[in-house]
Amino acid sequence: QQPVQSPQAVILREGEDAVINCSSSKALYSVHWYRQKHGEAPIFLMILLKGGEQKGHDKISASFNEKKQQSSLYLTASQLSYSGTYFCGTLNAGNNRKLIWGLGTSLAVNP
Amino acid sequence: NAGVTQTPKFQVLKTGQSMTLQCAQDMNHEYMSWYRQDPGMGLRLIHYSVGAGITDQGEVPNGYNVSRSTTEDFPLRLLSAAPSQTSVYFCASSRDGNYGYTFGSGTRLTVV
Repeated sequence: QQPVQSPQAVILREGEDAVINCSSSKALYSVHWYRQKHGEAPIFLMILLKGGEQKGHDKISASFNEKKQQSSLYLTASQLSYSGTYFCGTLNAGNNRKLIWGLGTSLAVNP
Repeated sequence: NAGVTQTPKFQVLKTGQSMTLQCAQDMNHEYMSWYRQDPGMGLRLIHYSVGAGITDQGEVPNGYNVSRSTTEDFPLRLLSAAPSQTSVYFCASSRDGNYGYTFGSGTRLTVV
């Protein structure tokens, strides 16, 4: 039931791009994306709803492929502030009340 | 707006003791959840609520109780603390399933 995130870790130089993937074995209602910095609480980035469009703000965007039960988070022209652990959370089509999380992708952006 | 307020921020318990982690939100959110976060395990759902008087179990509910008597408050009770409950606990709230969650700052609990 837990979504699977890949890759587990990414190291970038400032200005490079990255893609983080999230896949589920169950039909999805929505996918959430969050970023967590060490010692802090997760911060909401965006939500993709079933039937919704690709979303994004600034240089971070995401897509949701309902048929493949997958979502991808795109980070373009990465900045030092993008460093942290990225989590996807999924709400299943059969129960859109229980947000279940992946294990996270650690992203380090170096100068 | 205070958002989601969790207390205490740190707590040390002895095995067998009980305690309540407090969570309050002032955004009139219907959905509230409790998570625990352990190294390498991500965030695991303990209990959740979709409105006052409505609660349900998450992935790891054993050893924990919740109640939701008001929209604002969602306390988490540890019945008899065990070392396996050493973790960071987060409370989060959302307007409903179509919106993102706002997290509290967390409670770091150590059971000795």
